[in-house]
Amino acid sequence: GAVVSQHPSRVICKSGTSVKIECRSLDFQATTMFWYRQFPKKSLMLMATSNEGSKATYEQGVEKDKFLINHASLTLSTLTVTSAHPEDSSFYICSASLTGFTGELFFGEGSRLTVL
Amino acid sequence: DQQVKQNSPSLSVQEGRISILNCDYTNSMFDYFLWYKKYPAEGPTFLISISSIKDKNEDGRFTVFLNKSAKHLSLHIVPSQPGDSAVYFCAASATGNTPLVFGKGTRLSVIA
Repeated sequence: GAVVSQHPSRVICKSGTSVKIECRSLDFQATTMFWYRQFPKKSLMLMATSNEGSKATYEQGVEKDKFLINHASLTLSTLTVTSAHPEDSSFYICSASLTGFTGELFFGEGSRLTVL
Repeated sequence: DQQVKQNSPSLSVQEGRISILNCDYTNSMFDYFLWYKKYPAEGPTFLISISSIKDKNEDGRFTVFLNKSAKHLSLHIVPSQPGDSAVYFCAASATGNTPLVFGKGTRLSVIA
């Protein structure tokens, strides 16, 4: 089946630094990728929709200057958390759909960010 | 306002018995529903889905039932196994390139 890979799976950084998380579709082309944030005891919260070759669409309340998303190719999207703070510590998950229709999504393994 | 609701945050079931996880939604535009299973420190994995033109979809031990008039769906797992212990997310989507809307999840514990 379709595989989506995230890297790194775990990252620890100091407050004020930037962290980049990669999301790759390994065996299919994903025109659209989604970035989610998982909060404790809560659902996955959609942060943004990443479209290849164009600017990402951010959900209300998500700071686009803080969470930079780049979708430079059909197999790679990146999320950069800039000037990270401890409250940014979370589990970040990406997903991709085969055809752009989100009926069936393939999720990455998730990346756990800890900001000290 | 939550469009997809999983009102039971947790559920405990004995091994071999049936597990029933429930999900309610409010948006009548939703026409495709999915269940995802999530282990700790991993991303959710797709489990089973159902289109609004159906009222039942079965895959092995997993069956999803959809009641459109009640805007309710449920996931049945039978027989339940200890390896089924995980958090189960219900998700819904409307036609087109729209993101999934997830419920908050139900933590299933299958006790041996």
